[in-house]
Amino acid sequence: GQQVMQIPQYQHVQEGEDFTTYCNSSTTLSNIQWYKQRPGGHPVFLIQLVKSGEVKKQKRLTFQFGEAKKNSSLHITATQTTDVGTYFCGAGNNRKLIWGLGTSLAVNP
Amino acid sequence: DVKVTQSSRYLVKRTGEKVFLECVQDMDHENMFWYRQDPGLGLRLIYFSYDVKMKEKGDIPEGYSVSREKKERFSLILESASTNQTSMYLCASSLPGGPQHHFGDGTRLSIL
Repeated sequence: GQQVMQIPQYQHVQEGEDFTTYCNSSTTLSNIQWYKQRPGGHPVFLIQLVKSGEVKKQKRLTFQFGEAKKNSSLHITATQTTDVGTYFCGAGNNRKLIWGLGTSLAVNP
Repeated sequence: DVKVTQSSRYLVKRTGEKVFLECVQDMDHENMFWYRQDPGLGLRLIYFSYDVKMKEKGDIPEGYSVSREKKERFSLILESASTNQTSMYLCASSLPGGPQHHFGDGTRLSIL
């Protein structure tokens, strides 16, 4: 079945450094969503990308959907300690989501 | 704001017990989901439901069953709990046209 590979699994950065997580699929995706889960919390929806080549920004977060709609990325500029958590991508599949395994981000102050 | 409420935040049960995890959403969402989350394994779908009395198996349904008698409530049942079912269980809901998931706070279940 459809799978979504998410890399890296872990990332440790100094506060102020940039961070990027990637999701890749071997098949064309109808849409992709990004979620953030704070330690001890539940996943919270960040954004959905639908169009080929789409780029969306939320303050320091930049989300991209590849031209072929087979990959997506989340980039955080100048990380802060509030960015700590696990970032998941989820590919829309009918009523369900196919999830990446997540990237856990640690930020050293 | 959508509210998804799970009945317990923490639960401790014994091996062999029948365990019920309850989830209620207040936004009239058609779709409801049960996931388990384990370190390094991400979110694994156990069951989902797209309408009352309708259910579909997810990726790891073995040892679990579900019930959806009312639109707002989706129950996960561990028929005979085993230690390998110790995990964080997350309930989510969504609209049919918008797969954006709204999650509950989760139930951390320990089977002793």
